[in-house]
Amino acid sequence: SQQGEEDPQALSIQEGENATMNCSYKTSINNLQWYRQNSGRGLVHLILIRSNEREKHSGRLRVTLDTSKKSSSLLITASRAADTASYFCATDAFSGGYNKLIFGAGTRLAVHP
Amino acid sequence: NAGVTQTPKFQVLKTGQSMTLQCAQDMNHEYMSWYRQDPGMGLRLIHYSVGAGITDQGEVPNGYNVSRSTTEDFPLRLLSAAPSQTSVYFCASSTDSSSYNEQFFGPGTRLTVL
Repeated sequence: SQQGEEDPQALSIQEGENATMNCSYKTSINNLQWYRQNSGRGLVHLILIRSNEREKHSGRLRVTLDTSKKSSSLLITASRAADTASYFCATDAFSGGYNKLIFGAGTRLAVHP
Repeated sequence: NAGVTQTPKFQVLKTGQSMTLQCAQDMNHEYMSWYRQDPGMGLRLIHYSVGAGITDQGEVPNGYNVSRSTTEDFPLRLLSAAPSQTSVYFCASSTDSSSYNEQFFGPGTRLTVL
């Protein structure tokens, strides 16, 4: 079963606009990660936020985490056509004695010039 | 460094055939994993390994076998291919099994089972 679920499933915006994607999860986490996937490629790590952090920045990316609501958001500011990709959140899950990453279904972002 | 490499990039199989998807990494990572990606389903964990000689099942292990004889290689075997195994398969690696490590992904293998 999926731990993280992204919302919306798809998002279409114009260049220069901000894009916000949300992720909800079900159980307690140690951290949450966001990944990007360009069409036909593997996933690339964007940012990790720990459970004791509320906000984190990396360039044009801003990630927030609300552990009381079990949710996170990824904000991309001043979007560019090159930001067109699918974005996934991933949460850690501990079972069988080891940590695993559980991915959501992703948000497909299209940025139009 | 080449990072995580996967072969083949594309493969078409007939139902019942077997094959091995290859995955290798040159970063001396202890943790390696296999995911499948289906439309609208995100990535689902098939099998993972925390080091040479140690493997365990993920969410969807049925129909797949893995082994980890070296740190570098983590092949995924389809024993008897079924149409339900049509998917894109990704191999990933990270430094160790700590959940605070980012995972590095290969480019994927697109598999079609007829």
